[in-house]
Amino acid sequence: GENVEQHPSTLSVQEGDSAVIKCTYSDSASNYFPWYKQELGKRPQLIIDIRSNVGEKKDQRIAVTLNKTAKHFSLHITETQPEDSAVYFCAAANSGGSNYKLTFGKGTLLTVNP
Amino acid sequence: KAGVTQTPRYLIKTRGQQVTLSCSPISGHRSVSWYQQTPGQGLQFLFEYFSETQRNKGNFPGRFSGRQFSNSRSEMNVSTLELGDSALYLCASSLELRLDEQFFGPGTRLTVL
Repeated sequence: GENVEQHPSTLSVQEGDSAVIKCTYSDSASNYFPWYKQELGKRPQLIIDIRSNVGEKKDQRIAVTLNKTAKHFSLHITETQPEDSAVYFCAAANSGGSNYKLTFGKGTLLTVNP
Repeated sequence: KAGVTQTPRYLIKTRGQQVTLSCSPISGHRSVSWYQQTPGQGLQFLFEYFSETQRNKGNFPGRFSGRQFSNSRSEMNVSTLELGDSALYLCASSLELRLDEQFFGPGTRLTVL
């Protein structure tokens, strides 16, 4: 089955700096890669996703890149703000089949210091 | 549109008991997935239901089961509870044709004493 590794497990940055979180996956059939943000005590919320037919996607201060050959994808947050502090999860899935499921990384605790 | 709802939000049980958790998906969503979230293991997939049928199952023992009703509401049941079952149980729903965009509920925090 799919295995997703996520690094780092914790990340501390100063407000205004950039943050990068990296994930690798094992199943070459995976074609959908979402990122979720989970604030303390709240539900995971989808912040951005990318499909295997594109290499990069950007939404304001957030961007995701995908390297299918190397089987890794990354989340980039620029101009970080204290409200970006949360746990971020990457995930991978093969959305084409009926055996659909998301396999998550273990999460990255991002702390943005004012 | 109302989001995904889960009941109860908090639950305390003792070892050996059983528990049933409920999830109501977003209106129009027919796929419901369940996840277990723990500090050590992160988010782990339990099972996914679509049109009252379990289509996929994760690597959990048979004590974990679920079902889905004709209105897409779903329940999961855990029998013979163990201390290690203490976790946040999250369900997520998605549209029939957009299985990849999952929306999570607030979760049920289960504590097993």
